[in-house]
Amino acid sequence: ETGVTQTPRHLVMGMTNKKSLKCEQHLGHNAMYWYKQSAKKPLELMFVYSLEERVENNSVPSRFSPECPNSSHLFLHLHTLQPEDSALYLCASSQSTGGSSYEQYFGPGTRLTVT
Amino acid sequence: GNSVTQMEGPVTLSEEAFLTINCTYTATGYPSLFWYVQYPGEGLQLLLKATKADDKGSNKGFEATYRKETTSFHLEKGSVQVSDSAVYFCALRKTSYDKVIFGPGTSLSVIP
Repeated sequence: ETGVTQTPRHLVMGMTNKKSLKCEQHLGHNAMYWYKQSAKKPLELMFVYSLEERVENNSVPSRFSPECPNSSHLFLHLHTLQPEDSALYLCASSQSTGGSSYEQYFGPGTRLTVT
Repeated sequence: GNSVTQMEGPVTLSEEAFLTINCTYTATGYPSLFWYVQYPGEGLQLLLKATKADDKGSNKGFEATYRKETTSFHLEKGSVQVSDSAVYFCALRKTSYDKVIFGPGTSLSVIP
């Protein structure tokens, strides 16, 4: 247990569906992240929230919409996805208030399949 | 820019063999360096870290030494087990305000 939980663990959705991924961290961290992990590709950072404000959006298509209502929760809202969006979506958290050794703690991921 | 390079594998070893996974980095200044491990069906877990030159990180029999002169952070284990089969990611972070830069990952399979 890393202190970061993600639900659901597995999700199958059609291209016209709308669904949401949820992440919760119990570590008191103030920064949260969404990553996409596809087979045979490097980890892709999608979004970064620090102190509940989005500080980075790495050219992610608008069909992915993040939401961070407070420092413990992070959502990724999905709509009209494409089959190539099938991947493992990982949430992470860290402390982001100075210093250089603040490692990230990852959740177990949501395995998303778009049909 | 900052980057991490590591051998991509896959690496296949027999149980009790010696493991080395090479990692080199490009960054200005003194980043913190990390090794993460991802077991099948799970997220990434921090394995070990080092925050300054000549630091040695260690955990679960794995070790890595921060070598500033060679910009390297190679992961080693003296005797691997089947349960060590996983993907290993080398990573760096310059400050807590910077994003973590991950290497591509090295897949390790340990056979009995």
